[in-house]
Amino acid sequence: EVQLVETGGGLIQPGGSLRLSCAASGFTVSSNYMSWVRQAPGKGLEWVSVIYSGGSTYYADSVKGRFTISRDNSKNTLYLQMNSLRAEDTAVYYCARDDSSSGYHLNWGQGTLVTVSS
Amino acid sequence: AIRMTQSPSSFSASTGDRVTITCRASQGISSYLAWYQQKPGKAPKLLIYAASTLQSGVPSRFSGSGSGTDFTLTISCLQSEDFATYYCQQYYSYPPRFTFGPGTKVDIK
Repeated sequence: EVQLVETGGGLIQPGGSLRLSCAASGFTVSSNYMSWVRQAPGKGLEWVSVIYSGGSTYYADSVKGRFTISRDNSKNTLYLQMNSLRAEDTAVYYCARDDSSSGYHLNWGQGTLVTVSS
Repeated sequence: AIRMTQSPSSFSASTGDRVTITCRASQGISSYLAWYQQKPGKAPKLLIYAASTLQSGVPSRFSGSGSGTDFTLTISCLQSEDFATYYCQQYYSYPPRFTFGPGTKVDIK
């Protein structure tokens, strides 16, 4: 059974950094496309980033240059390093396992809340 | 960037109704469109991909159609568990910028 468990969210001041983790089970992270999607409180879904099985990475314009997606194959875990955080980055962050030849999200974690506030 | 719109943004319906939600892309995306269902406090769930292919385990009352710029999600006979918010998402763009529509909330009349 595919499972995704996000951790690492919390309250952080503007300008700060945070690293989110997504522990996967039931499949191999490095063999799949993996994404991060976020949802601000009361708002819709926003695609954030994807890492392809070959290692290529892509970002939404709103986070490019501030966020970095990566994975640890030995731990079967996906990460999102978030730097220079802004109030508008406040959201629930979901990791997702994607179809490995397209970009749609097959499985989702339960999400972790990141609150950027002073 | 490809922009996605959905209509209506919300509506009320009754159990047993046939409902249709529309999604439009700002440029052609072939059939690279997915639909998700999200209930309050829960993660989204994939319903349909490739515009019309039902994800395994999703009830057959859900169906999708369209290609190019105009797409629809239809629920043939609304059930109580279908009251939720529905999002479309394009995954056509390269480099990837997999934008979602703003969502359509379906609630109980």
